[in-house]
Amino acid sequence: KQEVTQIPAALSVPEGENLVLNCSFTDSAIYNLQWFRQDPGKGLTSLLLIQSSQREQTSGRLNASLDKSSGRSTLYIAASQPGDSATYLCAVSPHFNKFYFGSGTKLNVKP
Amino acid sequence: DVKVTQSSRYLVKRTGEKVFLECVQDMDHENMFWYRQDPGLGLRLIYFSYDVKMKEKGDIPEGYSVSREKKERFSLILESASTNQTSMYLCASRGPRPNEQFFGPGTRLTVL
Repeated sequence: KQEVTQIPAALSVPEGENLVLNCSFTDSAIYNLQWFRQDPGKGLTSLLLIQSSQREQTSGRLNASLDKSSGRSTLYIAASQPGDSATYLCAVSPHFNKFYFGSGTKLNVKP
Repeated sequence: DVKVTQSSRYLVKRTGEKVFLECVQDMDHENMFWYRQDPGLGLRLIYFSYDVKMKEKGDIPEGYSVSREKKERFSLILESASTNQTSMYLCASRGPRPNEQFFGPGTRLTVL
């Protein structure tokens, strides 16, 4: 069974800092990997999706990379802002309707 | 604006009660999911449905059942609630493309 681990569990940084969130998974046979954001009391919002054949995806200040062979993905956030404060979840999909989620990294960006 | 709505944000029930959690989506999606989210464990799939009246067990189906009588509505049923079912329950629906997955705001269920 796929195991997804996210490190660190929590992170606090000053505004403006560039930061990296890590996700590792145990089975490299994946269909895609997705990064989500969860705000308190709300559901998940999809940020970036990387297909298994891709190495990275970018959206604005966010860049996600995927290294299937080593079972790792990183989410890079440039020039962090207080509005980026949220919990970030990584989800690995072995096929279309199946996801394995990590337990998340809770990010706090201090003004 | 696409929407997945859940019937309650907060729910408190007693042990042994039958509990219904309702989820409605307005995107005409075929695929709908129920997850529970617990600290340190991430989201775990309880059940999913890929069409009306069709369902499949997820990773932790024990103690739960589901119903999908209409395409837009997917219900999670706790036949006899227990304290270990205290959790945040999240519903999601998914379109034909991999990144078309939308989550509801969640129901925080407490079983006393």
